Amino acid sequence: DTGVSQNPRHKITKRGQNVTFRCDPISEHNRLYWYRQTLGQGPEFLTYFQNEAQLEKSRLLSDRFSAERPKGSFSTLEIQRTEQGDSAMYLCASSQTSGGAENTGELFFGEGSRLTVL
Amino acid sequence: GQNIDQPTEMTATEGAIVQINCTYQTSGFNGLFWYQQHAGEAPTFLSYNVLDGLEEKGRFSSFLSRSKGYSYLLLKELQMKDSASYLCAVRENGGGNKLTFGTGTQLKVEL
Repeated sequence: DTGVSQNPRHKITKRGQNVTFRCDPISEHNRLYWYRQTLGQGPEFLTYFQNEAQLEKSRLLSDRFSAERPKGSFSTLEIQRTEQGDSAMYLCASSQTSGGAENTGELFFGEGSRLTVL
Repeated sequence: GQNIDQPTEMTATEGAIVQINCTYQTSGFNGLFWYQQHAGEAPTFLSYNVLDGLEEKGRFSSFLSRSKGYSYLLLKELQMKDSASYLCAVRENGGGNKLTFGTGTQLKVEL
């Protein structure tokens, strides 16, 4: 399977616990994105990487959230001291740098990691 | 920043045609995307417009007017499997391909 892979697919945790999600992008893609989506809403941008460099973080991303992409391949998103408001689907996507007639720079999404904070 | 508006819900009949509109405001437009998302699944890419006009891809077409900040997605010969959320997303200059999404339009196809 050469698509974007995320795990775990589901995570139920108690308020105050830490959780970590992993994303494996499409292998030749140099850009990786994290989004959060709640029911009935579109995905909200959280952060993105180009190779191992984190180039942008949304103001939505509180200090409890941290993302890494240490070798420019897979990425992790950690949420510390989870709150009930963190319950959402966390989506990872990857893309190639846009350019050329056939490359729109579209984002390819994984199936997501659903977080429920009790 | 961006403001992206699309209807929350639409209902259409199998075999019919439906048009889903999207309006946006952005300071450095660099492309508009439409994605389809079935419940509990990942968004999947449908279409991309960066120049004015119509892009056709099978039963799906997308139109863009940059001067009006307006796009629509046209679905023809609707099938039950087209029941899904349709997300309009805008890319700005300098954002590293980052997309900003609207809230999505939930389309229900009925018999």
